[in-house]
Amino acid sequence: DQQVKQNSPSLSVQEGRISILNCDYTNSMFDYFLWYKKYPAEGPTFLISISSIKDKNEDGRFTVFLNKSAKHLSLHIVPSQPGDSAVYFCAASLPSGGATNKLIFGTGTLLAVQP
Amino acid sequence: DTAVSQTPKYLVTQMGNDKSIKCEQNLGHDTMYWYKQDSKKFLKIMFSYNNKELIINETVPNRFSPKSPDKAHLNLHINSLELGDSAVYFCASSPQGRGTEAFFGQGTRLTVV
Repeated sequence: DQQVKQNSPSLSVQEGRISILNCDYTNSMFDYFLWYKKYPAEGPTFLISISSIKDKNEDGRFTVFLNKSAKHLSLHIVPSQPGDSAVYFCAASLPSGGATNKLIFGTGTLLAVQP
Repeated sequence: DTAVSQTPKYLVTQMGNDKSIKCEQNLGHDTMYWYKQDSKKFLKIMFSYNNKELIINETVPNRFSPKSPDKAHLNLHINSLELGDSAVYFCASSPQGRGTEAFFGQGTRLTVV
């Protein structure tokens, strides 16, 4: 049972345009949501997060939106750059054993930014 | 200056062997994790340790045994390797506190033949 879903396996956008990556979840107990970026043969690197008590968080070109009623979040990248081409993972955090974070990952979306 | 480092990066071994993957973090974090990314690209948590104490132990065969000699190290030992253990294994660490991001190592690609 996949609690975090990224239904688009891939996305292609033109350089300078907006990239919108989507993520849906089923567990209302998730209290934090995170986006990670992954290049081939490397580990995931953290991009941006949002608490479940907020609906938007912005960091430079990256903005994450959370719609709790729809159990949906999205990552907006604007303007998109060729260096943004990577696999993007959505992750949700469950409270687990005090301060420990248990991350549940989606299956990823491959973003290709065309020059 | 590597934050979370795993060794080896690649590991090819025969079925039935026992192997270990080592992980070290120099970030001063209290919590370390092992994640597994299978052939379908699902990235799933296996174990979590906080200050050398096991916190999370997902449904993982007991052939997998994590060991944390100190809070900067979390090694993964696998006994009697099976074909289905082939995957990429990621070590990660995070500071204390809810919602803090995990920092991942570069992964160890394990191939069992």
